[in-house]
Amino acid sequence: GAVVSQHPSWVICKSGTSVKIECRSLDFQATTMFWYRQFPKQSLMLMATSNEGSKATYEQGVEKDKFLINHASLTLSTLTVTSAHPEDSSFYICSANRATGGAFFGQGTRLTVV
Amino acid sequence: AQSVTQLGSHVSVSEGALVLLRCNYSSSVPPYLFWYVQYPNQGLQLLLKYTTGATLVKGINGFEAEFKKSETSFHLTKPSAHMSDAAEYFCAVSSGNAGNMLTFGGGTRLMVKP
Repeated sequence: GAVVSQHPSWVICKSGTSVKIECRSLDFQATTMFWYRQFPKQSLMLMATSNEGSKATYEQGVEKDKFLINHASLTLSTLTVTSAHPEDSSFYICSANRATGGAFFGQGTRLTVV
Repeated sequence: AQSVTQLGSHVSVSEGALVLLRCNYSSSVPPYLFWYVQYPNQGLQLLLKYTTGATLVKGINGFEAEFKKSETSFHLTKPSAHMSDAAEYFCAVSSGNAGNMLTFGGGTRLMVKP
C-alpha cells in the first residue's frame, strides 16, 4: 500500500527557533499534499494545500509567513514553523493524494515549544 | 462544497457490545468516504473506505461501514467491542478527484468499558 512518511514524529524546540517537518510519499507521486493541525481534544484543522511547483494555498486564519510550506517535488513537502511559540505546540499531520486516487496520511509530528 | 457530521463526540460501550459510530455527509458529487482511527499520540490510520461498487465495506479490526446514498450516511459498526478499540474515529469525505482534499468530521471518541 501507499506509504507517507512524516519526520520527525516528535520535536521539542525553544521558543523563537524554527522547526521543519517533512512529509514524503515513499512509493507514489503525490500531486497534492495537505497539512493539518490538531489541537488537543479537537478535530483536524486544514492549514494549507500544497501543490508541487506552486505556492501553497493557506486556509483563512493561517499565517503563511509563520507556517512556510515548500513542495519541491512530487514526493516531498515541508512545513517550517518559524519563530515558534508555545501556542504553536500541537500535533501536525500531512496527507498526500495519489494521482491515481486515495489520500494517505503521515504518522504525525508532535511539536512542543518550550 | 462538502461537509461531514459525526453525531456524538463521545461514545461509550461495554466490552463485547455493538459499536455504532454515526457519520452523515453532504457532497455535490458522488463521494468517496473514509473512516480513520487515531490512537493516542499516533497519526491517523485508515480503517476503511468506500469509493464505488459494493456499498457495504469491510475494514481492518472487524469494522465495517455501509454507504447509504438515500440517507447520506456512512455509519461505522463493529459487532463486538474490544478494549483495544478505544480511540478517536474520524469520518471523512472527498469528491473522489485526486486533487481534492478530505473533509473531516469532528471526530468521535470511543470509550470501551470492561
